[in-house]
Amino acid sequence: DTGVSQNPRHKITKRGQNVTFRCDPISEHNRLYWYRQTLGQGPEFLTYFQNEAQLEKSRLLSDRFSAERPKGSFSTLEIQRTEQGDSAMYLCASSFFPETRGNGYTFGSGTRLTVV
Amino acid sequence: KNEVEQSPQNLTAQEGEFITINCSYSVGISALHWLQQHPGGGIVSLFMLSSGKKKHGRLIATINIQEKHSSLHITASHPRDSAVYICAVSRETSGSRLTFGEGTQLTVNP
Repeated sequence: DTGVSQNPRHKITKRGQNVTFRCDPISEHNRLYWYRQTLGQGPEFLTYFQNEAQLEKSRLLSDRFSAERPKGSFSTLEIQRTEQGDSAMYLCASSFFPETRGNGYTFGSGTRLTVV
Repeated sequence: KNEVEQSPQNLTAQEGEFITINCSYSVGISALHWLQQHPGGGIVSLFMLSSGKKKHGRLIATINIQEKHSSLHITASHPRDSAVYICAVSRETSGSRLTFGEGTQLTVNP
């Protein structure tokens, strides 16, 4: 297993376009998380899955954002009608739950989105 | 007031110095995490703590549950330790998703 993989690494898009990011977690992990990080700030929670079930969505996640994890493996995060305020690093992480199993979180390298 | 507070925000040290970064939190937690982030975005998990102390190489992390405080220590610091160090907590009421501090930017000069 090569860790958590995110694609693409960078995405530049025009305002109003739709974008989709992919995350491949560590295969043994049952939880997958999406976070967003803007420059100089700590990451903010967006949503998470346990297996294929989406258990929680942040109020930060407007109707333009949707995430899926159809078979409990990889996940996609789609942003529709992008706005300049969506420009950020989108981080994916995976873990065991409960936390007593495993060694905590493993993060991907992130997808940096720039909306022009 | 943020639920997770770190200090200092910025720290500059000379190579070889002993470094301490502090984290205080105001909510009940199931675990506290120390993370390292290098320029370019990738985050590496350093420690997950629910009590006591953990050591890995030159890094030591401690937690005092009663005082809701944790420290990350780096012994014999090196320029390659330069990074942002982030404290994050898993809250009892929200499962294992993380609430993050704003990070400490550490610069170690040769």
